[in-house]
Amino acid sequence: DADVTQTPRNRITKTGKRIMLECSQTKGHDRMYWYRQDPGLGLRLIYYSFDVKDINKGEISDGYSVSRQAQAKFSLSLESAIPNQTALYFCATSDSQGGSSYNEQFFGPGTRLTVL
Amino acid sequence: AQKVTQAQTEISVVEKEDVTLDCVYETRDTTYYLFWYKQPPSGELVFLIRRNSFDEQNEISGRYSWNFQKSTSSFNFTITASQVVDSAVYFCALRSYNTDKLIFGTGTRLQVFP
Repeated sequence: DADVTQTPRNRITKTGKRIMLECSQTKGHDRMYWYRQDPGLGLRLIYYSFDVKDINKGEISDGYSVSRQAQAKFSLSLESAIPNQTALYFCATSDSQGGSSYNEQFFGPGTRLTVL
Repeated sequence: AQKVTQAQTEISVVEKEDVTLDCVYETRDTTYYLFWYKQPPSGELVFLIRRNSFDEQNEISGRYSWNFQKSTSSFNFTITASQVVDSAVYFCALRSYNTDKLIFGTGTRLQVFP
């Protein structure tokens, strides 16, 4: 089984709809992240969470909200989806106590969201 | 401010050619980490390598090699004897020691033709 899973993998929705993207991990990592990828722009950080009670805005948080329901779960919500939120969304995790100073981030498979 | 520049938007080569993907970074930090990720057509992000700022040794892994030069703030990636399976988008990324944020470049799309 994959260590970092994202559901759904693909979603088509309409403008104005509320949508939630979910991320779960079995790696036991404390830190989780949400990124979006747009063609030609690379990945940009939306929100990140260092633990269940610590949530921080990233580079492009407007129009998004998150919830860290448990250490293993981190959800991203679009309260009222708009077409320019059409993108590929990635969840990632890292372990601050892993003993390595690199704190490598491990990425989920991505969710392709289309807002019509 | 931190920034990663991948000036090559797209590169096309024929199988068995060598190809180098450029990455130039900006940071004021003395301790930082550099990464390369591969994104094949299936869309997932595959970690390739990380390098910390204290280690300027070049690294080779099979057909892949990386050239880290602090003097020019570059962390270039070379694929020797490219194969069709190397076709993907490749991202370079930077992270400072005291932050958990990964700053990505815009990626280089590599197409390897048979």
